[in-house]
Amino acid sequence: QSVLTQPPSVSAAPGQKVTISCSGSTSNIGNNYVSWYQLLPGTAPKLLIHDNNKRPSGIPDRFSGSKSGTSATLGITGLQTGDEADYYCGTWDGSLSAGVFGGGTKLTVL
Amino acid sequence: EVQLVESGGGLVQPGGSLRLSCAASGFSFSSYSMNWVRQAPGKGLEWVSYIASSSNIIHYAHSVKGRFTIARDNAKNSLYLHMNSLRDVDTAVYYCARDIQTRGDAFDIWGQGTMVTVSS
Repeated sequence: QSVLTQPPSVSAAPGQKVTISCSGSTSNIGNNYVSWYQLLPGTAPKLLIHDNNKRPSGIPDRFSGSKSGTSATLGITGLQTGDEADYYCGTWDGSLSAGVFGGGTKLTVL
Repeated sequence: EVQLVESGGGLVQPGGSLRLSCAASGFSFSSYSMNWVRQAPGKGLEWVSYIASSSNIIHYAHSVKGRFTIARDNAKNSLYLHMNSLRDVDTAVYYCARDIQTRGDAFDIWGQGTMVTVSS
């Protein structure tokens, strides 16, 4: 069981918007920065968002991140079939002195 | 090109040992904290270990503490993971990942991964 809680799956139509939630506690999300990753089958994870809402160079602004209290959200607008992937949130947990990830959310673009 | 390349994976019996390596290129390796992250077949990402740029701070996941040892050689631009007392639950693709900051909470460069299979 993961320290961070994500919905197992979300879906939306091409061109639409979707949000993926990530819930934690004060020891992790509440007091640390959140990052988001995209995993396409057979490829290494790709950093989409760091420091709650910052996009690395090359990540389109269709991807956005936010944090409030002990929860974080990844937003994806203008959905494309190429966005079908697994998405993970991650952060540091001060109580565990360890990195932690959510269980992952499978995005289906219908 | 900024790159991380893992090696050293393979098939090992339960109770056995293995050493993974990660060769870094294209950036100042000695300036960055590094991590190992794994993904078991059909499972999610699991953070394994963190090492600061000068090796003065090291952290482990509870599941590997006492069995795995992370190390780095900045002169060789290399990161290592020494794995002992391996169990079947350690079967996974192991990735090395660069820490975008120094906090162990965001990883911007990942290797392609190396597969470790623990089985008799």
